[in-house]
Amino acid sequence: SQQGEEDPQALSIQEGENATMNCSYKTSINNLQWYRQNSGRGLVHLILIRSNEREKHSGRLRVTLDTSKKSSSLLITASRAADTASYFCATDKDSSYKLIFGSGTRLLVRP
Amino acid sequence: NAGVTQTPKFQVLKTGQSMTLQCAQDMNHNSMYWYRQDPGMGLRLIYYSASEGTTDKGEVPNGYNVSRLNKREFSLRLESAAPSQTSVYFCASSWGGANTGELFFGEGSRLTVL
Repeated sequence: SQQGEEDPQALSIQEGENATMNCSYKTSINNLQWYRQNSGRGLVHLILIRSNEREKHSGRLRVTLDTSKKSSSLLITASRAADTASYFCATDKDSSYKLIFGSGTRLLVRP
Repeated sequence: NAGVTQTPKFQVLKTGQSMTLQCAQDMNHNSMYWYRQDPGMGLRLIYYSASEGTTDKGEVPNGYNVSRLNKREFSLRLESAAPSQTSVYFCASSWGGANTGELFFGEGSRLTVL
């Protein structure tokens, strides 16, 4: 079963625009993480937000967390063609070692 | 530093054959994980090892076995491969629990079972 579900499944934007992806989850969590996966590669960690945090920034990334709605969003500002990738949210479930991934958002940034 | 290294990168098996996927990390991490990724889906946890000498089931352990050979190495074995095990397999490692910090992933092993 999937803990996190991303929305939209696919997103196509022009270079320079902002991209927003959403993640919803079902059970209470300690932390939520976002990962990026370039085509044919492994996942790369982007950012971790704790359940007692509401917003976190890292470079052009902004992540928000609303525990009352069980949802998170990832905003990429001033997108670049190199941001083209799949983005996954991941939440801990049941134990600190079981990191459960959503099905991802495929982002295409057109030059 | 190589990070997380997986071998082989590609493998084709016939139904019923067995094979072992190897994973090694050089970051002195305590925890290691095996995930599988099917087309259009996220990763599903097969097994994990919180520390050397321990292993535990994840979401989809059936049909797999694992061995934490030492702190560096964590192998995944398919005893009798089935077409449903066609997937991309990712090994990952982390310092502590997966929810306390980032997981470092290998580049994946692409397995096809005919």
